[in-house]
Amino acid sequence: KQEVTQIPAALSVPEGENLVLNCSFTDSAIYNLQWFRQDPGKGLTSLLLIQSSQREQTSGRLNASLDKSSGRSTLYIAASQPGDSATYLCAVIIQGAQKLVFGQGTRLTINP
Amino acid sequence: GAVVSQHPSRVICKSGTSVKIECRSLDFQATTMFWYRQFPKQSLMLMATSNEGSKATYEQGVEKDKFLINHASLTLSTLTVTSAHPEDSSFYICSAAARSKGPNYGYTFGSGTRLTVV
Repeated sequence: KQEVTQIPAALSVPEGENLVLNCSFTDSAIYNLQWFRQDPGKGLTSLLLIQSSQREQTSGRLNASLDKSSGRSTLYIAASQPGDSATYLCAVIIQGAQKLVFGQGTRLTINP
Repeated sequence: GAVVSQHPSRVICKSGTSVKIECRSLDFQATTMFWYRQFPKQSLMLMATSNEGSKATYEQGVEKDKFLINHASLTLSTLTVTSAHPEDSSFYICSAAARSKGPNYGYTFGSGTRLTVV
């Protein structure tokens, strides 16, 4: 059974810092991995999608990496801003399945 | 991009009544949609997988007679909470795989519905 773990559960940093969020998964047979952002009381916004054949994806100040063999992904946020405060979720799709398996999320707070 | 619209965003209903939540894919066809439930400060819990033209597949522990799912077209899935009780109060979110738009779209989520049963 695929299990996804995110560390840390919560993170608070001052504005301007670079930071890394971690995601690990137990079964390396994944189709892809997706990072989402969720603001309080809102739905999920897709940030980055990494196909199983890719090692990283970049969008603006965000960079996500994928190491399938070790079952890890990281989300790097450069020059953090208060508007980045949200819960960040990673999710994987197992090969041959359709369902997303989510981690518990990292609650990020950027202090002005 | 791929857009999923979910309505209503908030609903308050009385105990014993039924509530219908709609999930529409606006710019792509979705043969499969997913319904999640989220408790405060917790991650998403998959309730069921909705397949166009066939019966939904429910996760273990989810009452299919309580949470009715209909996926009558390639762009619309509905979740009806029947005979709602206060313990059904929660945040419900739908999603769809936008694979018809290409491999780089992944899963797209609706904005969620906050259900409060009084």
